Amino acid sequence: EVQLVQSGAEVKKPGESLKISCKGSGYSFTSYWIGWVRQMPGKGLEWMGIIYPGDSDTRYSPSFQGQVTISADKSISTAYLQWSSLKASDTAMYYCARQPLTGDQSFDYWGQGTLVTVSS
Amino acid sequence: DIVMTQSPDSLAVSLGERATINCKSSQSVLYSSNNKNYLAWYQQKPGQPPKLLIYWASTRQSGVPDRFSGSGSGTDFTLTISSLQAEDVAVYYCHQYYSTPSFGQGTKLEIK
Repeated sequence: EVQLVQSGAEVKKPGESLKISCKGSGYSFTSYWIGWVRQMPGKGLEWMGIIYPGDSDTRYSPSFQGQVTISADKSISTAYLQWSSLKASDTAMYYCARQPLTGDQSFDYWGQGTLVTVSS
Repeated sequence: DIVMTQSPDSLAVSLGERATINCKSSQSVLYSSNNKNYLAWYQQKPGQPPKLLIYWASTRQSGVPDRFSGSGSGTDFTLTISSLQAEDVAVYYCHQYYSTPSFGQGTKLEIK
């Protein structure tokens, strides 16, 4: 069974750093991209970026370039999303999702989401 | 960047009736070399992650009921639920992956 299991909810203060994770199982982790999607409270979905765990090739949305860092460790089938200095506006649910390497590039499996709350 | 605009923002339909959601892209998402539209539809129920319903604009994901169908090409697309069930109450999103991916703003579907 394909699963993407994300790390638990986080409560942080502005200026703090954070790294959340997404662990894949039930499939070959290096046969798919892993993407990250933001959903701010009560709002829609925003595509943040994507990584190929095989060689860590990473693409970012211009809106998120320089604001976050996406990484992966293929040895433990885990992708990461990290911030060096959080802002209150980073408060959101963050989803990871799997995307085929070629052909159709929709997100066919999603993690359960990680809620990040940034508040002083 | 390709901007995806859905209509309507919200929709109330009676049980058993047809529901239609539209999605328009600011430029074509049809890739001429393979004649595929790089467009997907997702369903998101409260407190849950999105679920893939349709990809390539009209291909139903495995396990998705056949009352869900996708149509359209180029810049104009439609998600149709042929006979609304109570469990279809959700927010629906279109998603283009022709270039830097983007989502529509979502359409909230409720029971009338």
